[in-house]
Amino acid sequence: QKEVEQNSGPLSVPEGAIASLNCTYSDRVSQSFFWYRQYSGKSPELIMSIYSNGDKEDGRFTAQLNKASQYVSLLIRDSQPSDSATYLCAALNYGGSQGNLIFGKGTKLSVKP
Amino acid sequence: DAEITQSPRHKITETGRQVTLACHQTWNHNNMFWYRQDLGHGLRLIHYSYGVQDTNKGEVSDGYSVSRSNTEDLPLTLESAASSQTSVYFCASGTPGTGELFFGEGSRLTVL
Repeated sequence: QKEVEQNSGPLSVPEGAIASLNCTYSDRVSQSFFWYRQYSGKSPELIMSIYSNGDKEDGRFTAQLNKASQYVSLLIRDSQPSDSATYLCAALNYGGSQGNLIFGKGTKLSVKP
Repeated sequence: DAEITQSPRHKITETGRQVTLACHQTWNHNNMFWYRQDLGHGLRLIHYSYGVQDTNKGEVSDGYSVSRSNTEDLPLTLESAASSQTSVYFCASGTPGTGELFFGEGSRLTVL
C-alpha cells in the first residue's frame, strides 16, 4: 500500500453543494496531514493542515482526521466553480531531520454552475 | 516579495543529453525539494536538501542529482535524459513540519 491514497476522481458536484474529498494513509507516515489545491497548469498551494483527531474548520473548508481508521478528509461547503481544481492530500514523512511531504495522486474536483 | 522561480519553464531535449533545471528561492529557506508530477502518479519526491552541502535522495532519485552550494539555489541535473523522465518538475522550499511548502511554477521537460 502506498503511504497516501486518494481516489483520483473526477468528482463532480453542483454549485452550492458539499464536496467531500477523502484520503487514507499507511502506518509509515506521521500523524500530520495537509491539503493542497492545484489549479490546472499551476503549482500546488497549501489550504489546510490537521494534526489531531477531529475536525478543523477554516471558512468553507473543514478538514477531518480519524486516526483509528487512518482516514483524512476535506469538506468544501457551498462549493463554487472557482473551487474546481485538483486536491492533493499530503502527509509528513519523518525521513531526514526536517522531514518531507508525501503526496497522494490527487482528486480532481469539478463544480458545475 | 519573496518568491521561488524555476527555469526553464519549458524544455525539449533528446535522449542521452544532460539537462539542468534551475531553482532559486528568496525565502531564505534551508529546506528545498524537487518533485516530479505525472498523470497517474501524483507528486513524487526526487531529491531534497536541508541546507548548504546537504542533499538527500527521495523516492525516485535514479538518474537525477542535485547540489547545494548556497541557500538560494538547488539545481536538478539529469545526467543522461531518458524518455521516462518526460514530466513536469516542481521545486519547493519551506517547512515540511507545518506543511508550508512554497512551490515554483514548474518546469515542463520533454525528452524525445
